[in-house]
Amino acid sequence: NAGVTQTPKFQVLKTGQSMTLQCAQDMNHEYMSWYRQDPGMGLRLIHYSVGAGITDQGEVPNGYNVSRSTTEDFPLRLLSAAPSQTSVYFCASSPRFGRIEEKLFFGSGTQLSVL
Amino acid sequence: GENVEQHPSTLSVQEGDSAVIKCTYSDSASNYFPWYKQELGKGPQLIIDIRSNVGEKKDQRIAVTLNKTAKHFSLHITETQPEDSAVYFCAARGDSNYQLIWGAGTKLIIKP
Repeated sequence: NAGVTQTPKFQVLKTGQSMTLQCAQDMNHEYMSWYRQDPGMGLRLIHYSVGAGITDQGEVPNGYNVSRSTTEDFPLRLLSAAPSQTSVYFCASSPRFGRIEEKLFFGSGTQLSVL
Repeated sequence: GENVEQHPSTLSVQEGDSAVIKCTYSDSASNYFPWYKQELGKGPQLIIDIRSNVGEKKDQRIAVTLNKTAKHFSLHITETQPEDSAVYFCAARGDSNYQLIWGAGTKLIIKP
């Protein structure tokens, strides 16, 4: 199994450009999420989904859109990139949502720089 | 809401010595506390976790302790090895939200 696959690994954007970060999992996981990781701030939840067709906002959703049309895919869209969105982005999934001990499976990350 | 503080931000220990990373949480309703390890260029990976009804849990060289009264939990790594060098994150979760609240991370450096 590939697990959680993120593409691209690196991306440089100019302010105002748009792009989509891709995330796919092959484990039939119900729950998928996007985090951003900034120095000294840990992991902050951007958006999450508990199943196909269902998405919700996390702690820092502004400037990002998501959709979940299939169980496998959960793309993150930046509509108009800003320098404040320079960060490392992680996609994570888990089998179900709502179980207290649910383990998160992370992708390898996308390093995004916005100039 | 929940807030998780993690210390230290960087920890350097001699190979073979022990390392301890501490986290405190604010919400007494939190009842699940995992630790994730992030190696360079990779995503975080769960290494050990503990529920609030347990005081200590061990898995070979790593252990986690929980003090519910003081609202803090710690990761202990004994006989450190070069492969233990990584960033370690603590987190907390409660029944009402199910989303993990993360600490800021600790960069562990193992000196040869």
